[in-house]
Amino acid sequence: EIVLTQSPATLSLSPGERATLSCRASQSVSSYLAWYQQKPGQAPRLLIYDASNRATGIPARFSGSGSGTDFTLTISSLEPEDFAVYYCQQRSNWPKTFGQGTKLEIK
Amino acid sequence: QVQLVQSGAEVKKPGASVKVSCKVSGYTLTELSMHWVRQAPGKGLEWMGGFDPEDGETIYAQKFQGRVTMTEDTSTDTAYMELSSLRSEDTAVYYCATGDGYYFDYWGQGTLVTVSS
Repeated sequence: EIVLTQSPATLSLSPGERATLSCRASQSVSSYLAWYQQKPGQAPRLLIYDASNRATGIPARFSGSGSGTDFTLTISSLEPEDFAVYYCQQRSNWPKTFGQGTKLEIK
Repeated sequence: QVQLVQSGAEVKKPGASVKVSCKVSGYTLTELSMHWVRQAPGKGLEWMGGFDPEDGETIYAQKFQGRVTMTEDTSTDTAYMELSSLRSEDTAVYYCATGDGYYFDYWGQGTLVTVSS
């Protein structure tokens, strides 16, 4: 099973700042990695797929990069609605695993 | 546009089984590969299993092998997830989810299953 480790567990930033979230895989997943955003009481929302492709309707301030075992989600300038929990997920192998999440909170 | 509507909240006793449904609209179930993900209170997302269209089989996470069954009724475009031998640790929100290439663009609203004596 591929284990995804996200860091940091919690990130405290202010609106307008840049956020950088990390996801590291226990073995290569090529570019088969996605990022999701989840707000309290809601289902997750797909942001990025195949490491760097924005899903439909996702603002350009969200970008993804990386390949192999190291991936990054960057939010260029935080909006108030961006404070949420973010998860990475790999589709390279079965089982399709998620990282444990990074909580992005308002400083 | 795919829409997934799940059945309502359930309260079960330890040792019982629960069956959660997920009604598809906008597409037919045969056009989709359905997966199930759960989330315990205050915890992260946990993939439970899903359909592999390449093999035509449902793959289950090892953790749930022998306790979970995922089925589909194509006549009503409804997917089901049944979990047996429930314990308190199974208290969670259960989601059905689907999308392109094993990424999950579409999610149900979630079904809270509470296991309590």
